[in-house]
Amino acid sequence: KAGVTQTPRYLIKTRGQQVTLSCSPISGHRSVSWYQQTPGQGLQFLFEYFSETQRNKGNFPGRFSGRQFSNSRSEMNVSTLELGDSALYLCASSSRWGKGYEQYFGPGTRLTVT
Amino acid sequence: AQSVTQLDSQVPVFEEAPVELRCNYSSSVSVYLFWYVQYPNQGLQLLLKYLSGSTLVKGINGFEAEFNKSQTSFHLRKPSVHISDTAEYFCAVSQGGKLIFGQGTELSVKP
Repeated sequence: KAGVTQTPRYLIKTRGQQVTLSCSPISGHRSVSWYQQTPGQGLQFLFEYFSETQRNKGNFPGRFSGRQFSNSRSEMNVSTLELGDSALYLCASSSRWGKGYEQYFGPGTRLTVT
Repeated sequence: AQSVTQLDSQVPVFEEAPVELRCNYSSSVSVYLFWYVQYPNQGLQLLLKYLSGSTLVKGINGFEAEFNKSQTSFHLRKPSVHISDTAEYFCAVSQGGKLIFGQGTELSVKP
């Protein structure tokens, strides 16, 4: 079974631009979560989608948004990029939504904002 | 809100020596705990999980962890490490549908 895939793997953007990252979950998984990883803040939860509905949201500004499609693929968008948005963005999928279900992570998208 | 504390940011160890990576959690309710490993330039890989039942949990690559409710700990152990175990290790607790991670422990295995 193919794992979680994320595209693109690397991205360089300029401050003020916007960016869209894509995630394809493991086949059959309906829950997709997004995390931001930075050296200073570590791994922080962004949001989670299940069956096209946002179930949970982390403490990030409204510039960060996401959505999930009927085939469970998910995208996250960051508008008006700031230097501090430079990070590794990780997507994870799970077969179900809720406490205790293990999440399988993709390789991440490395975003650099200049 | 739940939180996770990894007590060591870096752990250097020689090859074939035993290692313990420490993790404490804060929660007054039942917890679901995980250990993940991250190799350079890669995503996170699940090593093991504790949901309920036996407090000693065995995972992949020879790792195991012990859930200790009274000490609110979930330490990761391996009796003999290899160079290939060099990576960053994250302890996490499940809260609703999200994972709350510790700050990570860099395990460096030296020959």
